[in-house]
Amino acid sequence: GEDVEQSLFLSVREGDSSVINCTYTDSSSTYLYWYKQEPGAGLQLLTYIFSNMDMKQDQRLTVLLNKKDKHLSLRIADTQTGDSAIYFCAERKPGGYNKLIFGAGTRLAVHP
Amino acid sequence: SAVISQKPSRDICQRGTSLTIQCQVDSQVTMMFWYRQQPGQSLTLIATANQGSEATYESGFVIDKFPISRPNLTFSTLTVSNMSPEDSSIYLCSVAGTGSDQPQHFGDGTRLSIL
Repeated sequence: GEDVEQSLFLSVREGDSSVINCTYTDSSSTYLYWYKQEPGAGLQLLTYIFSNMDMKQDQRLTVLLNKKDKHLSLRIADTQTGDSAIYFCAERKPGGYNKLIFGAGTRLAVHP
Repeated sequence: SAVISQKPSRDICQRGTSLTIQCQVDSQVTMMFWYRQQPGQSLTLIATANQGSEATYESGFVIDKFPISRPNLTFSTLTVSNMSPEDSSIYLCSVAGTGSDQPQHFGDGTRLSIL
């Protein structure tokens, strides 16, 4: 398909791990990104991974990339209430254009 | 990363009017972009703002409706012209540096409502 796909909603208990999944469209995309959007705010870059990598870890965040299946995931360890937000997956198309295609976003709700 | 300031942060406008949104960056950047985020939706690229030349528009967006200026490497404006309620959205500016590995960073957006 032509769309970057994400599940729309995820609910987790505080302290548990969250896993947000994304399927992207273009196997030649060079970079894959995760952005966070809190209410009333713009997009905050959380992390990104180059397409020749399988995994990237950054503190509580772990990104896994399965290039064969065009599947990207973001794991948030020890999820906190401050992690409640919308998380967008984006792929960067090849070429010097730096064009990003975004998914619809996954709303993460963290409850006690 | 660069500090990106957008003005206004929000506005309520009458249909048929136009609004110009400003994006100011605290350092010189190679690339600046304008996105639209319709209510409850994802982001869609409107255009790439090119310094010293006309913007590059994506399919479905035209210069007459969304004129863009980029007079230097730290500033850009997006005008939403002849607004209708369908233009009610968040408009976001993003920037990226030179180099294939440079990610895009976003401003806080402009929340626009058309009555």
